[in-house]
Amino acid sequence: GIQVEQSPPDLILQEGANSTLRCNFSDSVNNLQWFHQNPWGQLINLFYIPSGTKQNGRLSATTVATERYSLLYISSSQTTDSGVYFCAVMNRDDKIIFGKGTRLHILP
Amino acid sequence: AAGVIQSPRHLIKEKRETATLKCYPIPRHDTVYWYQQGPGQDPQFLISFYEKMQSDKGSIPDRFSAQQFSDYHSELNMSSLELGDSALYFCASSAEATGGEAFFGQGTRLTVV
Repeated sequence: GIQVEQSPPDLILQEGANSTLRCNFSDSVNNLQWFHQNPWGQLINLFYIPSGTKQNGRLSATTVATERYSLLYISSSQTTDSGVYFCAVMNRDDKIIFGKGTRLHILP
Repeated sequence: AAGVIQSPRHLIKEKRETATLKCYPIPRHDTVYWYQQGPGQDPQFLISFYEKMQSDKGSIPDRFSAQQFSDYHSELNMSSLELGDSALYFCASSAEATGGEAFFGQGTRLTVV
């Protein structure tokens, strides 16, 4: 099946810093999503981005489908950005495969 | 906007008992997914339904079963519970007509003691 690799696995930043999270996938995908899992366990949709670039406030994402990777940019980090960021893809099968996530900790 | 509703939010069961988790997808969504997330792990796919028919199956134990009903709600039934079944269980739904973006419920935290 398709493999999804996220990097870095862990990231500790000072409040106000910028960060880039990467997601590599091993096969072509029909869709790709970025989620933020907050400390209470809730999976929050950030971007639905099978290709192209999108921006939402301090967050933006780019997927280059032909090169099989996606990037999530977080600018001016806030402590509320802490949590785990998951990349998840779907290809031919009717299931969504998650990467192992990037655990982000923003220090005040 | 309506979201995916899961119940109960928390559940405590003893070993060898049975648990039933419920999921109410977003209206007009045609696909439902179930996921299991252990502590510190990524969500693992269990099973999915498209228009009330099972469409794909992951590493779901034989002790688990799921179905989707005529009103599109879905239930995950778990029997002979083991300590290792303690996890966060998510349901998600999506609509093919809008590209398949999945939305997750808040999850059911199952603790087996």
